[in-house]
Amino acid sequence: DSGVTQTPKHLITATGQRVTLRCSPRSGDLSVYWYQQSLDQGLQFLIQYYNGEERAKGNILERFSAQQFPDLHSELNLSSLELGDSALYFCASSVGATSDQETQYFGPGTRLLVL
Amino acid sequence: GENVEQHPSTLSVQEGDSAVIKCTYSDSASNYFPWYKQELGKGPQLIIDIRSNVGEKKDQRIAVTLNKTAKHFSLHITETQPEDSAVYFCAASAQRGYQKVTFGIGTKLQVIP
Repeated sequence: DSGVTQTPKHLITATGQRVTLRCSPRSGDLSVYWYQQSLDQGLQFLIQYYNGEERAKGNILERFSAQQFPDLHSELNLSSLELGDSALYFCASSVGATSDQETQYFGPGTRLLVL
Repeated sequence: GENVEQHPSTLSVQEGDSAVIKCTYSDSASNYFPWYKQELGKGPQLIIDIRSNVGEKKDQRIAVTLNKTAKHFSLHITETQPEDSAVYFCAASAQRGYQKVTFGIGTKLQVIP
């Protein structure tokens, strides 16, 4: 158990809908990262938050947004869902953000299925 | 940007044999190289990592080697066991104002009893 929690574990929804995925980082970690994992794309970095502020953006679509709250939990919002958004979404956390050798610890993931 | 290539994509070994997974990276600024193991239905778990000032690191049956000149690093698993069956990801990390981690595509390891 990495100490990172994610809810829900599974999510089934329809195209055009909006969903929210939730992540709680390990105790003491200030950085939260979101990744998308699909069969043909591997682990793709979406976005990073550090202590409530957006730190870095990766391959995140404009339909997707995230935030990190004062208690450091984070939410990833996916809107106008398309079939291609079906994937595993992972949250990871690390202690800080300035070190170039931060270890990221992953949560169990949320499996999203868009029908 | 960073590009991490990982091979093989699938690997089958007999129980007790060794398994080797190789990765190459392109960004010379990368200086931290973690390896993750992902079991079915679970998130990736860190199994070992290596920093750029070290050429080799070992933890029981798992070892990682790093050749910064050639920009490649490898994972070695000895005396494989069925519970080693999983997908393994290599990654390379560089500081670009933030920690940029790039993952390889993954290697599906099957250990045959």
